[in-house]
Parts: sequence; C-alpha cells; structure tokens
Amino acid sequence: DIQMTQSPSTLSASVGDRVTITCRASQTISSWLAWYQQKPGKAPKVLMYKASSLESGVPSRFSGSGSGTEFTLTISSLQPDDFATYYCQQYNSYPGTFGQGTKVEIK
Amino acid sequence: EVQLVESGGGFVQPGGSLRLSCAASGFTFSSYTMNWVRQAPGKGLEWVSSITISSTIIQYADSVKGRFTISRDNSKNSLYLQMNSLRAEDTAVYYCAVYGSGNYFKSWGQGTLVTVSS
Repeated sequence: DIQMTQSPSTLSASVGDRVTITCRASQTISSWLAWYQQKPGKAPKVLMYKASSLESGVPSRFSGSGSGTEFTLTISSLQPDDFATYYCQQYNSYPGTFGQGTKVEIK
Repeated sequence: EVQLVESGGGFVQPGGSLRLSCAASGFTFSSYTMNWVRQAPGKGLEWVSSITISSTIIQYADSVKGRFTISRDNSKNSLYLQMNSLRAEDTAVYYCAVYGSGNYFKSWGQGTLVTVSS
C-alpha cells in the first residue's frame, strides 16, 4: 500500500495567517490526490481533488499544488471556520490511503 | 442535494455481528461506486470496502477481508455492510461515501458508531 505522510501533525496559527500543510507519498501518485477537512463530530468534507482542483462550493482561499510524491494544501488567509483537521488521500491505486491528519489549532 | 444516511451501528461483544445500512438520495445511486470508510476514536481515516455499480468488483481492506461483506440494492438506493467476527479494533465510526470523478470521496454520510467491547 502507498503510505501518505503529512506534516506537521499539529499547526498553531492565527486568523489571517497563511497556512501550508504538506503531504508526501511513498511512491509516485501523479496528481491523484484529494484533501479533506474534518471538524469534531462531523464527517470529512472534500476540499480539493486531482491535487489542485477546487471542489464546488469550497472557498477560493484554499488551494492545492504538487505532483508525483509531494503535495501542499494552502489556506491563503485563515478564517475562524478553518480550524479543523485536514487529511490528504491518494487515489492513484487501491487501496486509497489517507495521511494521518494535520490539526490546525488557534494560536 | 446528495444525502447519505447510515444506520445500524451499536454496541456488540467481540465475535458478534452487525449489519450497517446506508440510504442514498439526491443522486443516481445505481451509477456510482460506493464505499465504507471508518474512523476509530481519536484516529485517522481508513477505507474499508468498495462496490461497483453492478456489484461486479468488490474490494476490501486487508484488516476486514473474510469478515465483512459489502452489498448494495440499487432498487432501494441502499448500501450495506455485514460485519461478522467483530473485534475490539473494529470500534469506529463507519461512514458511507460515494466516489467523485475519480476514486476520491466526494460525499459522505454522517456516520454510525460501532463499539465492540466485552
């Protein structure tokens, strides 16, 4: 199985900050990567797919980049609603595997 | 609007069985591959199983292979997960999820909690 590693595991930031989360794959996955946001007690919600495509309805402050084995999710200006846990997921090959998550906390 | 509503979770002893259901609406259920994804308390996400539109291709995570059975009824817009020989490590919230244009999880249900404990 392809291993997905996110960094950092926890990130403390303030409203208005630019935030970047990194996701690395153990082997190349082209651009077959999705990002999800999850709030406590809620289901995950997809933000990005195919590494850099914004899911419909997701604010434009979210962006994704990368290909091959290294990917980033960037929030250009952190908003109060963005404090949550973020997961990457590769879907280049079965089984689709997730990173361990990055919790974005209030500084 | 896509809606996925899971049910059937609960408390069960090790070795027991449960059947989860997922009722789908707001999209053409019979045209999409469906999945179960789980999340143990305080842990990350783990894909469990998927089933294609005509049930021709079914796949399982190694951790549940031989114990869980996924199925669907397109006439009822419903997805199922039969879980047998349950273990403590199967304790998790189980989500029903539909693939987007590619094997990422475009829509999710609210989840149903399965607790396996003696």
